[in-house]
Amino acid sequence: GAVVSQHPSRVICKSGTSVKIECRSLDFQATTMFWYRQFPKKSLMLMATSNEGSKATYEQGVEKDKFLINHASLTLSTLTVTSAHPEDSSFYICSARDRVQPNYGYTFGSGTRLTVV
Amino acid sequence: LAKTTQPISMDSYEGQEVNITCSHNNIATNDYITWYQQFPSQGPRFIIQGYKTKVTNEVASLFIPADRKSSTLSLPRVSLSDTAVYYCLVAPGGVTGGGNKLTFGTGTQLKVEL
Repeated sequence: GAVVSQHPSRVICKSGTSVKIECRSLDFQATTMFWYRQFPKKSLMLMATSNEGSKATYEQGVEKDKFLINHASLTLSTLTVTSAHPEDSSFYICSARDRVQPNYGYTFGSGTRLTVV
Repeated sequence: LAKTTQPISMDSYEGQEVNITCSHNNIATNDYITWYQQFPSQGPRFIIQGYKTKVTNEVASLFIPADRKSSTLSLPRVSLSDTAVYYCLVAPGGVTGGGNKLTFGTGTQLKVEL
């Protein structure tokens, strides 16, 4: 089945630094990937839609200069949290949809726990 | 997008059948109903999807009445490992149609005890 790999699974960084999170579709190509964030005991909140070869589409209230998204290939999307602050600490999850076999639906990565100290 | 309402939490015991109901009064004609499961610190995992009546797979059944304004996820004989958050989603074409983004509601925290 479709597998989405997310890396790193955990990261701790200092305030003011930037952190990059990778989302890879391992056995399929995905023209579209989605990025979510999830606070403890809360639901997933869609942050942005990552489109291969074009600019990402951000949800209302999500700062595009804060959360940089790059989708340079059909198997890789990256989310960079720039100038991180403690309030950016959260669980970030990506998902992707197989462009050739859409019936596989959306596959989610295992998430990245970001802690900003 | 149709809004969904689910119970915040449910408790059960091992071996019992668990039914989680989701309300989606404003469901549109081309909307499908999809359920996901999420364990702590993991991404959601697809459980089942349906449009009407009943759908069954190896892990669950999904019951959808004729008016489609609600749906019930049925988990037969739950075990401790079924303790998780269960999300009901409604989207045009479901997760296997269209390029639409998925919007998650609050979900239901299921706790299974011995």
